[in-house]
Amino acid sequence: TQLLEQSPQFLSIQEGENLTVYCNSSSVFSSLQWYRQEPGEGPVLLVTVVTGGEVKKLKRLTFQFGDARKDSSLHITAAQPGDTGLYLCAGVEVARTPLVFGKGTRLSVIA
Amino acid sequence: KAGVTQTPRYLIKTRGQQVTLSCSPISGHRSVSWYQQTPGQGLQFLFEYFSETQRNKGNFPGRFSGRQFSNSRSEMNVSTLELGDSALYLCASSLKGFTDTQYFGPGTRLTVL
Repeated sequence: TQLLEQSPQFLSIQEGENLTVYCNSSSVFSSLQWYRQEPGEGPVLLVTVVTGGEVKKLKRLTFQFGDARKDSSLHITAAQPGDTGLYLCAGVEVARTPLVFGKGTRLSVIA
Repeated sequence: KAGVTQTPRYLIKTRGQQVTLSCSPISGHRSVSWYQQTPGQGLQFLFEYFSETQRNKGNFPGRFSGRQFSNSRSEMNVSTLELGDSALYLCASSLKGFTDTQYFGPGTRLTVL
């Protein structure tokens, strides 16, 4: 059983559309990170959220950490082809335990 | 500042062989973590080294081992390769450890035939 469930697994949308991807768990996380990975490269950190209910914005990307710190979402406004990639959430369940990753959402934005 | 580098980028081996992968972290980073990425299981934590000591270990068999040198460079070794070991092996460095921002290398793509 995956500790962090991401949905949807795949998403293909037109340029300009909005989308939301989700990261859910039954466990509580002390912090949660979002990464984007492009083909042939390692994941690159987008944001870290640590407080329940926290909302962070990074240009057209909005990240939210659930009040209970069990889930998170990533919303992209007016998606662009450059947003294409694998979006991964990762969390620290208990202090000083390994970072656990979801399997990711593969996003394709078509021009 | 140079990023995390991993060598080699691609590797093809046959079952039963062993392999050693190398990772050079960002200068000043003392923590190096290794991950295995497969389409079926996603990214899974292998182990973390900090100042030459293994600090944490994931749920992988003893065939997977690693070490870290005094200059923070790290190597990962897989012995008696199995077909299921085919994966992208990613190394990440950070200042304090895996709860800190992880800076990933491009990975080594290992194919076991």
